[in-house]
Amino acid sequence: KQEVTQIPAALSVPEGENLVLNCSFTDSAIYNLQWFRQDPGKGLTSLLLIQSSQREQTSGRLNASLDKSSGRSTLYIAASQPGDSATYLCAVEYGNKLVFGAGTILRVKS
Amino acid sequence: GAVVSQHPSRVICKSGTSVKIECRSLDFQATTMFWYRQFPKQSLMLMATSNEGSKATYEQGVEKDKFLINHASLTLSTLTVTSAHPEDSSFYICSALGGGTEAFFGQGTRLTVV
Repeated sequence: KQEVTQIPAALSVPEGENLVLNCSFTDSAIYNLQWFRQDPGKGLTSLLLIQSSQREQTSGRLNASLDKSSGRSTLYIAASQPGDSATYLCAVEYGNKLVFGAGTILRVKS
Repeated sequence: GAVVSQHPSRVICKSGTSVKIECRSLDFQATTMFWYRQFPKQSLMLMATSNEGSKATYEQGVEKDKFLINHASLTLSTLTVTSAHPEDSSFYICSALGGGTEAFFGQGTRLTVV
């Protein structure tokens, strides 16, 4: 069974801290892995997409890594800001379907 | 967690025909539903947001006359791809919001237009 797990489920940090969100998947035969952000009541915003042949992607203060062999991905957020507060979702694509993790609720306190 | 059922999971259609994709919330009432599209090797992109009983809000660049969205009830939203062409071939996925802020996703529909 293809499962995606995100740890922690919730995280609260003071502004300015660097932080890491974790995503693990049980089936390593992935096409790609994506990180999304979801604000309350809104749709998903795509943050980073890592193809199965890549090891990391960077966008601004965000860096995502992928280790297929161990079934893990991390999302690193540098110098966190209150505007980063949201739910972060990891999703793994397996050919004909997308499997989502349950998300990590992030709160950055000012 | 709550369940969102999306049907069909795969569909192949001829160019010029229309295809309807259904998204149902099975155990909760979905006031808002979202439709996404993902092209090969690209990220999932939001197409439109639909609220029950009102017109959908489309993202920039999405043709509302081509991608018809109907959210007539609190448990069902449909996306109809009209006059489909090969370039519409994509992975379509819906998500639904209940009374809270957590969204639940369907399993997606792989559309292939030949």
